[in-house]
Amino acid sequence: DQQVKQNSPSLSVQEGRISILNCDYTNSMFDYFLWYKKYPAEGPTFLISISSIKDKNEDGRFTVFLNKSAKHLSLHIVPSQPGDSAVYFCAASGAYNQGGKLIFGQGTELSVKP
Amino acid sequence: DVKVTQSSRYLVKRTGEKVFLECVQDMDHENMFWYRQDPGLGLRLIYFSYDVKMKEKGDIPEGYSVSREKKERFSLILESASTNQTSMYLCASSFSRTYNSPLHFGNGTRLTVT
Repeated sequence: DQQVKQNSPSLSVQEGRISILNCDYTNSMFDYFLWYKKYPAEGPTFLISISSIKDKNEDGRFTVFLNKSAKHLSLHIVPSQPGDSAVYFCAASGAYNQGGKLIFGQGTELSVKP
Repeated sequence: DVKVTQSSRYLVKRTGEKVFLECVQDMDHENMFWYRQDPGLGLRLIYFSYDVKMKEKGDIPEGYSVSREKKERFSLILESASTNQTSMYLCASSFSRTYNSPLHFGNGTRLTVT
């Protein structure tokens, strides 16, 4: 059973607008969450992370929001740029010192149109 | 910049063959991982290693084994390839075990088993 779910396989947004990518999880033991971005023919690259003691983490145009009670997190990209077009994976981990042992969602393909 | 190099970009093997996927990282990272990526399933952890000579099973280890004789090299072995092992295989490394130590991925090996 998929413990981390990204229910939208794809998302299309106009350049300059906000992109919101969503992720739900079922395991209440998850305490750490990460987002990775993947371009075609390349490996995923780390984008941003958040621990469950926070509800928001920001890095430039990227902000991740965590709602623990709803077991939901989202990635906001403002403003969206064509270079942001990629597949975005959310991932979860249950232990502070077991980095790299991640449960990934299915991915959402973001297309930012000029 | 961290470089994770996977020896083959594409590989075609026959059912029953023994297959070796090689991965080398150049940043002296302690931790190395093998994931596979499949449509609709995201990335799933096969095996990982937090130290030389050490290996641990991930979420889907059946049909695979690994070898880590040197710190920089982590090999994934398919003892007897089957068609359900057709997939994109991604190797990754990380500096530390903390949850927010990012994974650095190679560009992947697309394996087809016929």
